[in-house]
Amino acid sequence: NAGVTQTPKFRVLKTGQSMTLLCAQDMNHEYMYWYRQDPGMGLRLIHYSVGEGTTAKGEVPDGYNVSRLKKQNFLLGLESAAPSQTSVYFCASSEGIAGGINTGELFFGEGSRLTVL
Amino acid sequence: GNSVTQMEGPVTLSEEAFLTINCTYTATGYPSLFWYVQYPGEGLQLLLKATKADDKGSNKGFEATYRKETTSFHLEKGSVQVSDSAVYFCALSEFWGGGGADGLTFGKGTHLIIQP
Repeated sequence: NAGVTQTPKFRVLKTGQSMTLLCAQDMNHEYMYWYRQDPGMGLRLIHYSVGEGTTAKGEVPDGYNVSRLKKQNFLLGLESAAPSQTSVYFCASSEGIAGGINTGELFFGEGSRLTVL
Repeated sequence: GNSVTQMEGPVTLSEEAFLTINCTYTATGYPSLFWYVQYPGEGLQLLLKATKADDKGSNKGFEATYRKETTSFHLEKGSVQVSDSAVYFCALSEFWGGGGADGLTFGKGTHLIIQP
């Protein structure tokens, strides 16, 4: 079972370059998320989506854009990379509301390590 | 706003020792509580969860009880193994009666090292 798949797993960029991280899930989940993980900071939410065609800002959205054109895919874009965006990025998905109760469980990808020089 | 506070570590224990990782939370509503584990080089995976007060989540020998009166969800294991070495994250999900779409609020993570 693939679950949540992120590509690429590693990338090195120069300041000012652009790139897109792709997240794909095969569980038919409604909700998808992008987090970044930094030492001593835990995980912080960048953007999220509650369904195809929708996106919303999380805790640290500046410098990132996202799109959810298909239910199974959630793209994270960096238009002009900065060294402060060096981090490990995690995509996650969840089924959303089940029977009126938010189960809350997230399923994570393996992460994408990005270095901006 | 919501927040989760946990001991950051690293926490170093010998094999077969008793483990407690403290977690306390602040929430405006009635959250669900989670422990996630991250093994080296991997993503996070759910370890256990509890959705209401006094619920006990358990998995792989780990346990945590949802204590609303003390706003805590401490993780315990009676006898740890080297394979338990990982980073453990406490998290909450706010229940807004149909909302809660904005993911989980995580603690900063506790790095656990088990020595043989």
